[in-house]
Amino acid sequence: QKEVEQNSGPLSVPEGAIASLNCTYSDRGSQSFFWYRQYSGKSPELIMFIYSNGDKEDGRFTAQLNKASQYVSLLIRDSQPSDSATYLCAVRPSNTGNQFYFGTGTSLTVIP
Amino acid sequence: EAEVAQSPRYKITEKSQAVAFWCDPISGHATLYWYRQILGQGPELLVQFQDESVVDDSQLPKDRFSAERLKGVDSTLKIQPAELGDSAMYLCASSLDAATDTQYFGPGTRLTVL
Repeated sequence: QKEVEQNSGPLSVPEGAIASLNCTYSDRGSQSFFWYRQYSGKSPELIMFIYSNGDKEDGRFTAQLNKASQYVSLLIRDSQPSDSATYLCAVRPSNTGNQFYFGTGTSLTVIP
Repeated sequence: EAEVAQSPRYKITEKSQAVAFWCDPISGHATLYWYRQILGQGPELLVQFQDESVVDDSQLPKDRFSAERLKGVDSTLKIQPAELGDSAMYLCASSLDAATDTQYFGPGTRLTVL
């Protein structure tokens, strides 16, 4: 079983819609959760991090964490064509120094 | 804005040759990471440094890969000899310290082994 799982997609949404990206993780004691955006051929860029159950909002982005169900999601409101990228979920399990485990990423396409 | 620097950005080499990648973390960041990302997959940790010491190199193929961070600042990752399966993006990341979670990535080095 992989530490972090994501649906690889591709996920397509029309411009202006809400994009919902999901991630599940295996270590129930995981403490920190991150979303990175990666454009094709580029390196990952941090979007948000979340540590506590519930929602965390930053502009058009909302991260949602449910530790009981072991999932974390990212909502992108008012999706723009520039949001088209691969979104990587990263989790820091409880038993590592600061090692992150990354999912394989979900490819998002926002259609104008 | 401070950034992680990496060079070269692109490297093409033939199998059995040696290659080296360089990384300069954000100033003041004690923890440095080297990841390998194969196309279509997420980054996988190769080695983690805390200052000049290796914290985790359990996934580093030590028969051909080596990494060092001699003065606890910049770092070099070497592959010798390169194999076809080493073609990937090599990413360097840094964080303020091991207890401060957020990792910031450099632009990466795209390696192609022919």
